[in-house]
Amino acid sequence: EVQLVESGGGLVQPGQSLRLSCTTSGFTFGDYAMSWVRQAPEKGLEWVGFIRSKAYGGTTEYAASVKGRFTISRDDSKSIAYLQMNSLKTEDTALYYCSRDIITITWGLENHYFYYMDVWGKGTTVTVSS
Amino acid sequence: DIQMTQSPSTLSASVGDRVIITCRASQSISSWLAWYQQKPGKAPNLLIHKASNLESGVPLRFSGSGSGTEFTLTISSLQPDDFATYYCQQYYSHLWTFGQGTKVEIK
Repeated sequence: EVQLVESGGGLVQPGQSLRLSCTTSGFTFGDYAMSWVRQAPEKGLEWVGFIRSKAYGGTTEYAASVKGRFTISRDDSKSIAYLQMNSLKTEDTALYYCSRDIITITWGLENHYFYYMDVWGKGTTVTVSS
Repeated sequence: DIQMTQSPSTLSASVGDRVIITCRASQSISSWLAWYQQKPGKAPNLLIHKASNLESGVPLRFSGSGSGTEFTLTISSLQPDDFATYYCQQYYSHLWTFGQGTKVEIK
């Protein structure tokens, strides 16, 4: 069974840092891209960013709201994805989910790669408050 | 960024009703659209990817259609378990965006 378990959330003050972990099991972690999505209290879903598998460069993409402050990384040997959050703001308060991403490739003169999120963890709560 | 707009924001319906939720993209996203269902206190659950591909295990009363900028999620006969919030999400751009959600309530 595919499982994703987020951890590392908590209460921090503005300007501080926090690292979230997404511990996975039930699939070959290294074959998949992984994403982070957040949901502020009583609000909708906001994509945070994702990291491609090493086969596709292991590169990352971020939402504008977190770019330069948040960093996604992965440890394929441990099947864990991380979200390092620096310079936290009160507006970063949210439930943070990680997800496994499925790749679809369109083949042509130039190949294009599209990912969607198929399995999600239950989330970990981050509260930024003074 | 590509903006995704869902309508309506809230929908009141009865068991057995046919329900249609619309999602519009600010530019063409071809068919690179997913639909998720979220129940209170739970993580989102993938229903449909690539606009119309039903995820394994999802009831056949759910269907998706559309391409370009206009998409719909249809529930053919609403069941008690379907009262939830539904989100569309584009993955055409490498900067993914969600719609604001549509809450399906009991009438």
